[in-house]
Amino acid sequence: QVQLVESGGGVVQPGGSLRLSCAVSGFIFYDYAMHWVRQAPGKGLEWVALMSFDGSEEKYSDSVKGRFTISRDNSKNTLFLQMNSLRPEDTAVYFCAKAVNRGAWSVDYWGQGTLVIVSS
Amino acid sequence: EIVMTQSPLSLSVTPGQPASISCKSSQSLLYTDGRTYLYWYVQQPGQSPQLLISEVSNRFSGVPDRFSGSGSGTDFTLKISRVEAEDVGVYYCMQSMHLPTFGQGTKLEIK
Repeated sequence: QVQLVESGGGVVQPGGSLRLSCAVSGFIFYDYAMHWVRQAPGKGLEWVALMSFDGSEEKYSDSVKGRFTISRDNSKNTLFLQMNSLRPEDTAVYFCAKAVNRGAWSVDYWGQGTLVIVSS
Repeated sequence: EIVMTQSPLSLSVTPGQPASISCKSSQSLLYTDGRTYLYWYVQQPGQSPQLLISEVSNRFSGVPDRFSGSGSGTDFTLKISRVEAEDVGVYYCMQSMHLPTFGQGTKLEIK
């Protein structure tokens, strides 16, 4: 079955960096676009970034553009999110999610999430 | 950015009774390919979101048939024909016509 397992969350000071990983199994990773979506404590869902199946296209929300970078290693079935210049408002659970198809901007399966806390 | 507006933001339903959630988008979600990019997800307590409905009305694998989606253009509805205790959670609509945006969420509670 489809599995997505995020890791790399933790506590970081404002201005710091963190790299999240998402290891996937149960589907052909290089056939699908992938997304990151976050959820601040007690709040709703906010889409963060997406990368096409082959890494040729990446998109970001305005709130993270220029600070976060999405990437993938298709040989290792792993998605990444490099987060720099972190702010307290980036505190959230970060979910990786599988796109419906290789170019899709919609998602079907989600991981369990990893918590990022930005605080001094 | 396409703004998604859900209503109500919360509802309390007696088991066995129907429930309905509205989702309105600030722009039409009908793309030039003829498809409408509106999705429904549910996030049960302590869980990650799960896909319920894709492209307005297509139930995802394993989703009970008491869930149905309808609508077109900018107005969409998720209906639960007979609410069960396991349906508790927060329901989100999402558009992927442009970069994805979600509605605020509708919290469903059981009376």
